[in-house]
Amino acid sequence: GAVVSQHPSRVICKSGTSVKIECRSLDFQATTMFWYRQFPKQSLMLMATSNEGSKATYEQGVEKDKFLINHASLTLSTLTVTSAHPEDSSFYICSARQNEAFFGQGTRLTVV
Amino acid sequence: DAKTTQPNSMESNEEEPVHLPCNHSTISGTDYIHWYRQLPSQGPEYVIHGLTSNVNNRMASLAIAEDRKSSTLILHRATLRDAAVYYCILKGGTGNQFYFGTGTSLTVIP
Repeated sequence: GAVVSQHPSRVICKSGTSVKIECRSLDFQATTMFWYRQFPKQSLMLMATSNEGSKATYEQGVEKDKFLINHASLTLSTLTVTSAHPEDSSFYICSARQNEAFFGQGTRLTVV
Repeated sequence: DAKTTQPNSMESNEEEPVHLPCNHSTISGTDYIHWYRQLPSQGPEYVIHGLTSNVNNRMASLAIAEDRKSSTLILHRATLRDAAVYYCILKGGTGNQFYFGTGTSLTVIP
């Protein structure tokens, strides 16, 4: 199947700093990518839809100024968690669709 | 997208078949039924999907009720590597987003 790759797989940052997570579709072009967040023992929550060449669409309750999304090419979307705080610690997962949805391996963010 | 209901958890013995149910009584005529699974600390992976007819692939089988208000994911021979959370998702219409419910956490007992 298609491959979606995330980087980094794990990151620890200090409170108040920003962290960028990359999501790449390795063998297909994705005009749309999706960003999810997952807290321990909970399901995936869709945060936003990333659109190549245009603004991202955020789900209700997700702060667009805190979670900056850039989708500059057909194979790369980035999520930047700005001014991170401990409550932003979570598992972030990206996805892209080629018929079915393919997911990255996830990024474990820990804010200390 | 229509809602799905799944049991929170199930157990199965290794090498035995597993039937994971999903209820979706408000499914619309154009909704496909998708199944994904998520192993610990990984992103979800595609398992199978179908519309009306039963489907088989190398991973599993999908049995869809005649009225489409429920479906069952069948793992023919559970292995320890099948221990995961299994999500049943309905997808139709024009949106591309997948919204996840709570899923079923499958434990495989050696």
